[in-house]
Order: sequence, then C-alpha cells, then structure tokens
Amino acid sequence: AQRVTQPEKLLSVFKGAPVELKCNYSYSGSPELFWYVQYSRQRLQLLLRHISRESIKGFTADLNKGETSFHLKKPFAQEEDSAMYYCALMGYGGATNKLIFGTGTLLAVQP
Amino acid sequence: DAGITQSPRHKVTETGTPVTLRCHQTENHRYMYWYRQDPGHGLRLIHYSYGVKDTDKGEVSDGYSVSRSKTEDFLLTLESATSSQTSVYFCAISGGQGFGNTIYFGEGSWLTVV
Repeated sequence: AQRVTQPEKLLSVFKGAPVELKCNYSYSGSPELFWYVQYSRQRLQLLLRHISRESIKGFTADLNKGETSFHLKKPFAQEEDSAMYYCALMGYGGATNKLIFGTGTLLAVQP
Repeated sequence: DAGITQSPRHKVTETGTPVTLRCHQTENHRYMYWYRQDPGHGLRLIHYSYGVKDTDKGEVSDGYSVSRSKTEDFLLTLESATSSQTSVYFCAISGGQGFGNTIYFGEGSWLTVV
C-alpha cells in the first residue's frame, strides 16, 4: 500500500532553533516525494521535491530509502516559517499520477 | 499562481441541496484533481481527470461526481450535500511527466453544509 506518515501533529520551536519535520513513506518501487507548505488559509505551495535536491527558504530534505524517510530540516527556524507542512508521495496507478498526502504537521515558531 | 481559479470560494448550503464547485485553469494541463482537506486527515483525493471526459475515482469519492467537458474546466458536484461534506476543497492541476510531475493547487473553496 502507498502511504505517507507524519507522526507529529504539532511541532513548536523557538526562533533560531533547528527544525526537523518527520515523514515516512510506504511505497514499492522508486518514490517521488514532495514537501508542500500551507500558510494560514492559503493554497498549498510546493516547497521541495526530492528529485531537485534543492534548498528552498533554507529548508532541505534528503530521501533515505533504507529508512523510507524524507524528513524536512532547517538549521535555524524563523517566525515566518510557521505554517502547516505536508509530505506527499507521487503514486502511480490507474490512468495518472496522484499525490498521496500525510496528515500534516503544524510548525509553530515562537519568538 | 499556476493559473487556477476556483469558484465559489465560500459557500453555505443546506443539507440535501446540490452543490457544484468549479475549477478553471489557463495552463492547458492535462491532469486535474479535486481534494478535500480536513483536520487530522490531511488532503484526500476525491476524483481526478486525465483528459476531457476521462475521469476516475479517488479514495473518498462517495457522494461526489465530476465532469470535464473542456480541458480548462473540472466540475465537482455534491448531488445531495451532507454535513460530513463540510470541508475545504482544493482543485489541483498537473502537466504530467513532461512538467516534472509537479502538481499545483488552487486557493480552495470553503463549503459549509448546515
């Protein structure tokens, strides 16, 4: 079964502290993984995709196939990072590709 | 903003009434999706389309139907709205592998069924 697990509903940190948002997945084959961010009552925005291996807004994420994880990290949190973060897996089946989401982690950065 | 427009953005309706949400795109992308977002569930796929008149069910399709008569429009219909369908609905589009498989989202439609 294709599944994405985000074990933390809420992660609260202080400004300047390191952040790690956890994501584990279940997928047979080579996964495509994404992180989306949603600021208060706004649309979901693509933050990262593992294929690109890029750093956006100071965030990075590395795919670990052995641990089936794709954790999102940032060395120094900023207040403007406060948002809902969703990990997503591109699933293939039927006639098209579909995003399968985790339940999300709310990141709250305290001043 | 990925050229996606959802309408209406906010709607309150009564139980048992039909409701149609519209998603319009200007990107000429092949794939379109409807998701619902609920606390504790993340985003769940309702229906998707892989071309004009080509649609299929997602994981939470019961009580919903869709239609796509033109590339740019993807309609989601609640035939007889229930309180359990109170949610935020997001439309999404994708050009597929040729566009890096990236899926872009609309701004959401807040639906309340009373």
